[in-house]
Amino acid sequence: GAGVSQSPSNKVTEKGKDVELRCDPISGHTALYWYRQSLGQGLEFLIYFQGNSAPDKSGLPSDRFSAERTGGSVSTLTIQRTQQEDSAVYLCASRNAGNTIYFGEGSWLTVV
Amino acid sequence: TQLLEQSPQFLSIQEGENLTVYCNSSSVFSSLQWYRQEPGEGPVLLVTVVTGGEVKKLKRLTFQFGDARKDSSLHITAAQPGDTGLYLCAGMMGGTASKLTFGTGTRLQVTL
Repeated sequence: GAGVSQSPSNKVTEKGKDVELRCDPISGHTALYWYRQSLGQGLEFLIYFQGNSAPDKSGLPSDRFSAERTGGSVSTLTIQRTQQEDSAVYLCASRNAGNTIYFGEGSWLTVV
Repeated sequence: TQLLEQSPQFLSIQEGENLTVYCNSSSVFSSLQWYRQEPGEGPVLLVTVVTGGEVKKLKRLTFQFGDARKDSSLHITAAQPGDTGLYLCAGMMGGTASKLTFGTGTRLQVTL
């Protein structure tokens, strides 16, 4: 597609369940970011992938959060044993060689 | 500790007024970007500034990067209702292989 694609766009899950959020970056973009945004707030950095380098995981809030990027393209953010405080919009972005970053529309996660 | 502080946090003005949003940090950034985000969408890049003292204009928007590359401002002239949104500054440290740190955000509402 033309832009960064995220799925699902909305997810309601029960506390304690695991969820997977998917990000399809723009083709050819080597850098990929995951951020979390609570309602009306700024963006909280979660994890950053750059090419074949080891990802920067410094923003992951707990060991319940993990992410992988397969084949240098699609990325999956996994949240295990979800808690109510995990409710937020999870935004994925990819960056081109010119350092321009493009965001997807986000995955809205609600933990009930 | 928030690396990038924005002020004001909220701003409600009438069409035609001018406004300035500030983005401040004690850290030095190699580049700084400004984004605008509308409800239900991901942030959209407005501008990137990389040189201390740099000024960039985008129609009615003027962006300035501080001489020491620690702060930035966004000035909007003759605001219009279409300018309404969440404005986010974001800084990158080091080279391109680096995460992007977002500011706390400024929510702007422009009314008729």
